[in-house]
Amino acid sequence: QKEVEQNSGPLSVPEGAIASLNCTYSDRGSQSFFWYRQYSGKSPELIMFIYSNGDKEDGRFTAQLNKASQYVSLLIRDSQPSDSATYLCALISYNTDKLIFGTGTRLQVFP
Amino acid sequence: DARVTQTPRHKVTEMGQEVTMRCQPILGHNTVFWYRQTMMQGLELLAYFRNRAPLDDSGMPKDRFSAEMPDATLATLKIQPSEPRDSAVYFCASGLQPGLDGYTFGSGTRLTVV
Repeated sequence: QKEVEQNSGPLSVPEGAIASLNCTYSDRGSQSFFWYRQYSGKSPELIMFIYSNGDKEDGRFTAQLNKASQYVSLLIRDSQPSDSATYLCALISYNTDKLIFGTGTRLQVFP
Repeated sequence: DARVTQTPRHKVTEMGQEVTMRCQPILGHNTVFWYRQTMMQGLELLAYFRNRAPLDDSGMPKDRFSAEMPDATLATLKIQPSEPRDSAVYFCASGLQPGLDGYTFGSGTRLTVV
């Protein structure tokens, strides 16, 4: 079982809709969770981080964490074509202290 | 605007040659990660350092890859000898333990081994 699992997509949503990206993880010792956005040919860029159960909002982005279910999600409200990218879920394990990434979900927002 | 600097941006080399990639972390960051990204495998963790000490390099092929941090402003990743299967984008990322604010990536080195 991979440490971080994401659906590779593509996830296609119309402009203005809510995009929901999901991530599950296997290590219950995971303590910090991150969402990175990566445009084609570019490096990953941090957009959100979350440590505590519940929701964390930043502009159009909301990260949700459920440690009991070992589940992290990212909601993008009012999706724009410029949001089209690959979204990478990552975590740091309390046990290993490594920053581990999922394989990413490709999001396509069409006009 | 603080950034992680990687050099070179692109490298084309022949099989069997030595390749050295360099990373300058953000000043004050004490943790440095090296990743390799391919379409098939995604972002693979190769090695990481904290306060210049190597903590884990289990993701690297030991016989040909080596990672060092000779000082706080420079991390290096070497491949000797290089092979076509090493063709990938290599990223460096730095941050401040315990990484509660995330880690910042460099622009990457795109390596092609022919």
